[in-house]
Amino acid sequence: GNSVTQMEGPVTLSEEAFLTINCTYTATGYPSLFWYVQYPGEGLQLLLKATKADDKGSNKGFEATYRKETTSFHLEKGSVQVSDSAVYFCALIPSYNTDKLIFGTGTRLQVFP
Amino acid sequence: GAGVSQSPSNKVTEKGKDVELRCDPISGHTALYWYRQRLGQGLEFLIYFQGNSAPDKSGLPSDRFSAERTGESVSTLTIQRTQQEDSAVYLCASSLDRWNTEAFFGQGTRLTVV
Repeated sequence: GNSVTQMEGPVTLSEEAFLTINCTYTATGYPSLFWYVQYPGEGLQLLLKATKADDKGSNKGFEATYRKETTSFHLEKGSVQVSDSAVYFCALIPSYNTDKLIFGTGTRLQVFP
Repeated sequence: GAGVSQSPSNKVTEKGKDVELRCDPISGHTALYWYRQRLGQGLEFLIYFQGNSAPDKSGLPSDRFSAERTGESVSTLTIQRTQQEDSAVYLCASSLDRWNTEAFFGQGTRLTVV
C-alpha cells in the first residue's frame, strides 16, 4: 500500500538550532513527495515538493531531498526561527495516474527564543 | 474568492442529527479532497473527486458518510445520524489538475457533536 511515516513530535528547539524532521514513505508506484505546513490558526499550505528521485525541494530556508534508495524525504533547516513554529506534514501522491494525496500524521515544531 | 471556501466554519449539532458541510474549490480546479482532522491527530483521508466522479471512496468511515460534487465545482459532505466520534475539523482542498500539483486547503469546518 501507500503510506507516509513521520517522526512523532513535538520537536522543541531553540532559535537558530538545526532542524530535521524525518519522513519515510511506502509507495507502489513512483510518487511525488510534499511537505505541507500548518501555522497556528491557519490552513495547510504547501511548503515544498519533489517529483522524482534525487530532486531537492526548497522554500523559506527549508530543504528536503527525494531519496529513493532509502524511501525518505526528510525536512531540514539550518537555523530555525520562532516563526517556524507550526505543524509539518509529509505527504505523497502515489503515482502519475492518481491525484490522491496521502498525509503523514504531522510533527509539531516548537521554537523558543 | 481566490481561495478554497468552506462553510460553515463552525457547527455544533446534537447527536443523531444530520449535517451537511460545503466546500467551494478554486475555480477551474478539477481535483477536490476531503479530510478529517481529529484533535491532536493527523489528516485522515475521506474521499477525493476528479471532476464530478469519486474514484476513491475508501476513506469514508461508514455508510453514514457521503459526498457529492456537481458541475466540477461545489462539493458537499453529508454525515447522517451524527455521533460524538464524528467531532473533528473537516478540511477540503482542491488542486488544478493531475499529479504533483499543489493542493490548496480551506480553513475547515469544526464540527462538534454534543
